[in-house]
Amino acid sequence: NAGVTQTPKFRILKIGQSMTLQCTQDMNHNYMYWYRQDPGMGLKLIYYSVGAGITDKGEVPNGYNVSRSTTEDFPLRLELAAPSQTSVYFCASSYSMQPSNQPQHFGDGTRLSIL
Amino acid sequence: TQLLEQSPQFLSIQEGENLTVYCNSSSVFSSLQWYRQEPGEGPVLLVTVVTGGEVKKLKRLTFQFGDARKDSSLHITAAQPGDTGLYLCAASRAQKLVFGQGTRLTINP
Repeated sequence: NAGVTQTPKFRILKIGQSMTLQCTQDMNHNYMYWYRQDPGMGLKLIYYSVGAGITDKGEVPNGYNVSRSTTEDFPLRLELAAPSQTSVYFCASSYSMQPSNQPQHFGDGTRLSIL
Repeated sequence: TQLLEQSPQFLSIQEGENLTVYCNSSSVFSSLQWYRQEPGEGPVLLVTVVTGGEVKKLKRLTFQFGDARKDSSLHITAAQPGDTGLYLCAASRAQKLVFGQGTRLTINP
């Protein structure tokens, strides 16, 4: 099983450009998440989805958008890239939203630099 | 302010030594997880603790959940270079995970 796959692994953007970070999972998980990880700050939840067609904001949603048209895919879009969005982005999925019952499975991340 | 405070933030020790890292909060949690993250990869779950006072062992790693379910510790016995990595604690809040800032552990041969 591939698990959670993120593309691209690295990207450099100019200020004001837009891009979509791709995330797909093959575990038939209903729950999917986007996090950003900044140095010394742990992971912060950007958006999450409890199933196809349903998304909700996390802790730091400003500047991002998501969609969930299928169970497998959960893309994250940056419309107007800003230097503050330089970070490593992780997508995750889980069978349940109860962490005590089911772990979150993470992709290997997308390292994004905005210059 | 961080909901979960991990300490120390950085730790570098020699192979064979023992170490303990901590995850503290003023809030009570229904469960707490420990993840390990290696460079260029996503976090991987090590353990979930759910009961106050619970102790779980994973080979040379011992995890403890505080009696009041506000804190946790990770103890590594006879550390090895393969233990090097970023250790993250995460707690369940409103059915979502909140992460600490991590402890970056380096084990020198």
